[in-house]
Amino acid sequence: RKEVEQDPGPFNVPEGATVAFNCTYSNSASQSFFWYRQDCRKEPKLLMSVYSSGNEDGRFTAQLNRASQYISLLIRDSKLSDSATYLCAHYNNNDMRFGAGTRLTVKP
Amino acid sequence: GAGVSQSPRYKVAKRGQDVALRCDPISGHVSLFWYQQALGQGPEFLTYFQNEAQLDKSGLPSDRFFAERPEGSVSTLKIQRTQQEDSAVYLCASSSGTMGYEQYFGPGTRLTVT
Repeated sequence: RKEVEQDPGPFNVPEGATVAFNCTYSNSASQSFFWYRQDCRKEPKLLMSVYSSGNEDGRFTAQLNRASQYISLLIRDSKLSDSATYLCAHYNNNDMRFGAGTRLTVKP
Repeated sequence: GAGVSQSPRYKVAKRGQDVALRCDPISGHVSLFWYQQALGQGPEFLTYFQNEAQLDKSGLPSDRFFAERPEGSVSTLKIQRTQQEDSAVYLCASSSGTMGYEQYFGPGTRLTVT
């Protein structure tokens, strides 16, 4: 089983839709979790940190479920500019482990 | 402020050549990470520095890969005798803390081995 697993998608949604991604992790001792956004041929950019039970930033909400070992990202009122690949990540001792990413395309 | 920078942005090497990839982290950032990202995959951890100390190199795929950060700031990832399977984007990230902190990525070096 991979350290971090994500549904690769692609998710194709219309503008204004709500979309949710899940990410499961195998290291139950992990304390720090993150969502990154990566545009085509660009570097990952930090979207949100998830340090406790969850947090919200505008249209984006991240949740952490320690019992089931997954984190989720909810995007409300999606925009065309939200089209990207979304990577979840968590710390495993010294290094960060990433999922393969979920691709989102928002269509007009 | 200045983010993480990497050079060169693109590198084409003939199989068997040695290459050196440079990373300038955000000023004052203690931690520096190198990742390898293949097409359609997430970044894969290569190695981690805390200041000048290389604390984890468990992700380096072979002894042809070598990284250093001699003064605790700029880092170089060297790949000797490049192979076609080394073709990937090499990402550098830095962090202000020692563990558990957000990492900020540079633009990457796209290496193509022909």
